[in-house]
Amino acid sequence: NAGVTQTPKFRVLKTGQSMTLLCAQDMNHEYMYWYRQDPGMGLRLIHYSVGEGTTAKGEVPDGYNVSRLKKQNFLLGLESAAPSQTSVYFCATLTFSEAFFGQGTRLTVV
Amino acid sequence: EDKVVQSPLSLVVHEGDTVTLNCSYEVTNFRSLLWYKQEKKAPTFLFMLTSSGIEKKSGRLSSILDKKELFSILNITATQTGDSAVYLCACLYGGATNKLIFGTGTLLAVQP
Repeated sequence: NAGVTQTPKFRVLKTGQSMTLLCAQDMNHEYMYWYRQDPGMGLRLIHYSVGEGTTAKGEVPDGYNVSRLKKQNFLLGLESAAPSQTSVYFCATLTFSEAFFGQGTRLTVV
Repeated sequence: EDKVVQSPLSLVVHEGDTVTLNCSYEVTNFRSLLWYKQEKKAPTFLFMLTSSGIEKKSGRLSSILDKKELFSILNITATQTGDSAVYLCACLYGGATNKLIFGTGTLLAVQP
């Protein structure tokens, strides 16, 4: 989707490795969200942010950390990856009238 | 715990049929309800509903919110094979949290 870019698109990690997923938006949206999507589980909220310098836990925050040092960027970190974190990760932004998703990151932890 | 429940879980129809997808919610500090369509990649935004009883329409798709009964419906008329997708409903909390919580979706298959 135009305006929300996720990096990387694909990644394979070994158990115990760390990585950071980047969500960048150029629409000046205040609200940003990180989700994971697993078969049969729908989209589950990991962490979210309602503005620069603020973050909050979602439904499934364990094993993840986030930072929003700049308004346009929302980073999702995995400090020590586990096979249970194999998933497709989506970033979303929100305004008062519409919402956008990034194109997703497919992460496999072996 | 706040929940967003969609029904049916899956649906198979033929081209030209009209379908109604349901989303019910149990949220405190409800602010808005959103509908998305997801094909093979990221969800795409369809509607955001904030006020009760006001229909939003886009082509063959329409949606309405009932804040008294805590549900929304998404209607698709004259369905086409290109409407085949997972339709997701999400609720935005208000207050201090501003969480956006999704239901598990309705898988719609439109057969020729």
